[in-house]
Amino acid sequence: QQNVQQSPESLIVPEGARTSLNCTFSDSASQYFWWYRQHSGKAPKALMSIFSNGEKEEGRFTIHLNKASLHFSLHIRDSQPSDSALYLCAGIASSSFSKLVFGQGTSLSVVP
Amino acid sequence: EAAVTQSPRSKVAVTGGKVTLSCHQTNNHDYMYWYRQDTGHGLRLIHYSYVADSTEKGDIPDGYKASRPSQENFSLILELASLSQTAVYFCASRYRGLSSYEQYFGPGTRLTVL
Repeated sequence: QQNVQQSPESLIVPEGARTSLNCTFSDSASQYFWWYRQHSGKAPKALMSIFSNGEKEEGRFTIHLNKASLHFSLHIRDSQPSDSALYLCAGIASSSFSKLVFGQGTSLSVVP
Repeated sequence: EAAVTQSPRSKVAVTGGKVTLSCHQTNNHDYMYWYRQDTGHGLRLIHYSYVADSTEKGDIPDGYKASRPSQENFSLILELASLSQTAVYFCASRYRGLSSYEQYFGPGTRLTVL
């Protein structure tokens, strides 16, 4: 059973800072990883995904996957107040490709 | 943009009562999911379905039933609501294809059991 742990639980950063969110997973056979973002009172929405080891960049957001170390991260460059949200990482359960297993989330606050 | 709607958006129920949460998607997606969200627990999968008239247990199915009468509709049923089932419930859907596992979420239903 895939287990996903996120750190830190919460984070407060100043506007313009570089922010790093971390995720560790237990199932090395898992093949697909996602970051979801959830603004307060709203639905989670997919932010970025990655299938293989390495990095992927989209605008101010970069994700990095290292299956050997079971580590998955999200980096935000030039953080903005609009980035304030709950960030959830998720991985496909190798026991069932139908299921996503989510971490408990990191609450990010970007202060002006 | 994929569309998933949920009803009701909020509900107050009494302990021991029956609660039905409804989800409707217009994406023509095969998979539908029910999650609950509690502070500090992220999203936990209750039930899911990949075809009409069939449902599968997720990671925390106890105390919940699910029904998928059509491709578009997926319901979550609490036969005997309990205090511990107070949470926000999200429905999601996704396309069957292996090239993308992106799930599209509805706006959520806030359930309070008193």
